Amino acid sequence: QLQLQESGPGLVKPSETLSLTCTVSGGSISSSSYYWGWIRQPPGKGLEWIGSIYYSGSTYYNPSLKSRVTISVDTSKNQFSLKLSSVTAADTAVYYCARHVAVVPAAILLDFDYWGQGTLVTVSS
Amino acid sequence: QSALTQPASVSGSPGQSITISCTGTSSDVGGYNYVSWYQQHPGKAPKLMIYDVSNRPSGVSNRFSGSKSGNTASLTISGLQAEDEADYYCSSYTSSSTPYVFGTGTKVTVL
Repeated sequence: QLQLQESGPGLVKPSETLSLTCTVSGGSISSSSYYWGWIRQPPGKGLEWIGSIYYSGSTYYNPSLKSRVTISVDTSKNQFSLKLSSVTAADTAVYYCARHVAVVPAAILLDFDYWGQGTLVTVSS
Repeated sequence: QSALTQPASVSGSPGQSITISCTGTSSDVGGYNYVSWYQQHPGKAPKLMIYDVSNRPSGVSNRFSGSKSGNTASLTISGLQAEDEADYYCSSYTSSSTPYVFGTGTKVTVL
C-alpha cells in the first residue's frame, strides 16, 4: 500500500522560506505514470494546487505561486520536496503531498489518488 | 485560471439523492473528460471518489456517480447517508496556463 508522509517545520517566520519533504513508501517515486504533487489548504478554505514534479525533474507550477515555488525530487531517497520563499501569513495552511496520476508523454495532469495526512504550517513571528 | 465553480452548500435527508455541480469552461471541464471528485471529512486528507468524469476507484461506494454536460460536471450521491456529510471538491486538467485546477468546494449536510 502506497503511503506518503510530509515532514518539516510547523512554524515559519514571515519573509523566510518554507521547506517540506514528502517521503514515499510502499512504491517507487520513479514510476512512469505518475507525477508527485503538493496541494495546500488554508484554514477553513478550499484546496489549492501548488505544483507537481516527475521523477525526471520535470515540473509544473501554479502560475499564482510560480515565482516563489521550487519543487525537487530525490529518487535515491524516494522523496520530493517543496520550497516556498518569502512567505507571509497568507501562506499559513495545511500542506499535503500526493501522487498525481498523469498522461506523461502529453503532460496531462489528472487526479490525486494517494495523499499524505497533511501538515499544518503556520507563518508567524 | 480561476477555480471551478461549485455551490457553497447542498443538503438532503437520509435516503435522498443530491447533486453537486462543477462549472468550468471549454478549456477545462468542457474540453476534456478529466474531471475528478474528492471527499474531505474535517481534519482529514481528501479522498478520490470519481476520476475521468464517471469512474469510481476500487472501494468507493456505487452510491457515488459522476457525469458531465457541456462545461458542467456533476457528482450525484444517491441513498444519502450520515457518513456522506463532508466537503466535496471537483478538479480538472486545463489547457490554460494552469494545467490543473480545483473547484471552490461544496459542503454537504445530511439533515
